[in-house]
Amino acid sequence: DVKVTQSSRYLVKRTGEKVFLECVQDMDHENMFWYRQDPGLGLRLIYFSYDVKMKEKGDIPEGYSVSREKKERFSLILESASTNQTSMYLCASTSAGALETQYFGPGTRLLVL
Amino acid sequence: KQEVTQIPAALSVPEGENLVLNCSFTDSAIYNLQWFRQDPGKGLTSLLLIQSSQREQTSGRLNASLDKSSGRSTLYIAASQPGDSATYLCAVPNSGGGADGLTFGKGTHLIIQP
Repeated sequence: DVKVTQSSRYLVKRTGEKVFLECVQDMDHENMFWYRQDPGLGLRLIYFSYDVKMKEKGDIPEGYSVSREKKERFSLILESASTNQTSMYLCASTSAGALETQYFGPGTRLLVL
Repeated sequence: KQEVTQIPAALSVPEGENLVLNCSFTDSAIYNLQWFRQDPGKGLTSLLLIQSSQREQTSGRLNASLDKSSGRSTLYIAASQPGDSATYLCAVPNSGGGADGLTFGKGTHLIIQP
């Protein structure tokens, strides 16, 4: 069964802290994504990756970075957390090609105080 | 830039009714369109993926149609049940087949009254 897991369901951090959100998929997918979801704004793409060591900016990359050292793992890093980064963060993966659906993890709800 | 709109934003109907959720997109040059379901506080579950060459796709009580030329898709839910209560999202690839991510509508929040 397809599975995308995220390291935490809920996270509370303080302003200025460095925050790591981890995502792991077990489907040998090439492509991985980080989105954030906010009321009234919907889902927005932060960063994505085509392959190991590759990363591309999405629509709202400011304040974030990513790391993909292994194919199955894609990390989202908040270098210095701010209150406007309080959100639901969703990781997804898909295999290369136009015929494949995206599989989502359960999400991490991050609160920055 | 692609924009995806979903109407209505919210819908509340009695159990047993058939209903239609609407999705429109501005750029018709899409490879596919996906419908997702999201339960409160959870991730997204893919319901249906329609390729650009297809007109519709069915899974159980769900039927999704796609009209690329008019930039529209509909999700039809037959004989609705309380367990269908959720937010339904449609999404199209940013480019190609989705390797660059998806653009989502803001969703339709559906409540099925027992």
